[in-house]
Amino acid sequence: NAGVTQTPKFQVLKTGQSMTLQCAQDMNHNSMYWYRQDPGMGLRLIYYSASEGTTDKGEVPNGYNVSRLNKREFSLRLESAAPSQTSVYFCASSEEDGGYQPQHFGDGTRLSIL
Amino acid sequence: GQQLNQSPQSMFIQEGEDVSMNCTSSSIFNTWLWYKQDPGEGPVLLIALYKAGELTSNGRLTAQFGITRKDSFLNISASIPSDVGIYFCAGQLSAGGTSYGKLTFGQGTILTVHP
Repeated sequence: NAGVTQTPKFQVLKTGQSMTLQCAQDMNHNSMYWYRQDPGMGLRLIYYSASEGTTDKGEVPNGYNVSRLNKREFSLRLESAAPSQTSVYFCASSEEDGGYQPQHFGDGTRLSIL
Repeated sequence: GQQLNQSPQSMFIQEGEDVSMNCTSSSIFNTWLWYKQDPGEGPVLLIALYKAGELTSNGRLTAQFGITRKDSFLNISASIPSDVGIYFCAGQLSAGGTSYGKLTFGQGTILTVHP
């Protein structure tokens, strides 16, 4: 009963380093999302993928890239990490794009950039 | 972009008390969702509301989709210690077809329950 699985759970990087956050879902959902959560700001959408083979920018895409590797997996890449990217990153998935299906979240990746 | 104002920001209550929190928006939404986040975990869906005026319950939780489609509230009755966590509202505007239903989150309400 895994749902949405994120790896790693914790990571510390130095400024300028690159890193890929992995996300996989086993619910056969079409749509997947990446959010960041900062204190007092709720969750903000970074990128989303409405279906396999498509990706689009969300509210705060600068400094990030994504890859929808297949229907199950959606990765988030930081090419040159900056301290402002210190945050908790959540991946989510939902049944379909544009519909009324709620999103289901992973447990997050806690990323610190020094 | 769309803004969701969630209040209160935090609540400290005694076990057994009822809790009420709400979200207001400057724009309309087609769907309102309420999530709870426990420490170290991702948000978990509590209640989904799909129609203006809808009132939905899930155990001790009751949520309503405002008539104007710009607000929603969540009530928790007879609180217990495991209700502790951060509660988020989220609004979704789905345009149908292949359009994306963007999810906008409130800032969260931190709930502390004293035994």
